Amino acid sequence: DAGITQSPRHKVTETGTPVTLRCHQTENHRYMYWYRQDPGHGLRLIHYSYGVKDTDKGEVSDGYSVSRSKTEDFLLTLESATSSQTSVYFCAIRDSGLAYEQYFGPGTRLTVT
Amino acid sequence: QKEVEQNSGPLSVPEGAIASLNCTYSDRGSQSFFWYRQYSGKSPELIMSIYSNGDKEDGRFTAQLNKASQYVSLLIRDSQPSDSATYLCAVKILTGNQFYFGTGTSLTVIP
Repeated sequence: DAGITQSPRHKVTETGTPVTLRCHQTENHRYMYWYRQDPGHGLRLIHYSYGVKDTDKGEVSDGYSVSRSKTEDFLLTLESATSSQTSVYFCAIRDSGLAYEQYFGPGTRLTVT
Repeated sequence: QKEVEQNSGPLSVPEGAIASLNCTYSDRGSQSFFWYRQYSGKSPELIMSIYSNGDKEDGRFTAQLNKASQYVSLLIRDSQPSDSATYLCAVKILTGNQFYFGTGTSLTVIP
């Protein structure tokens, strides 16, 4: 499982509340990613990180922010959750090497009511 | 314009048959290609990666890449009911660190 955990695994929250999802890795990988997965859209990149305090936006970054203050943790924050952010969120890691292979965490199912 | 396209299926094959899954991509700068398997309610699991034209075999799985046609495929030989899942194609372009995923093809292997 590439040593990746996500918390919480399930969350129900109300529109307008802030939500933070956590991704934790144990193997010191440089790159970490946040995706959301929705029916008909597949996996879409929200943000990614290429090192501590180094992050960049993906294709669906609006309404999301991220932080990475240490190598092992990558946080995804929804400042004010909306119903359109109901989704399954996956964290992924990859090495710095040439293989470019990504490995996924178990996911967080978020419901915004 | 979608970066990666897959036939959503569902694709049904009998047990023991060959399942063929296809994927096309739009960016000619794509350099790395991946197939993931995703069981319902679970996270994607990497099963194959391929970087150069031709075939790459790993057990019952064969990935095929044709960069000129911008086409990558996955063959599953001797399909088993446990292969029933959604298969995701993913592509990384040469520049940047982003990956693009197709919407997946649902495969059912009928016993």
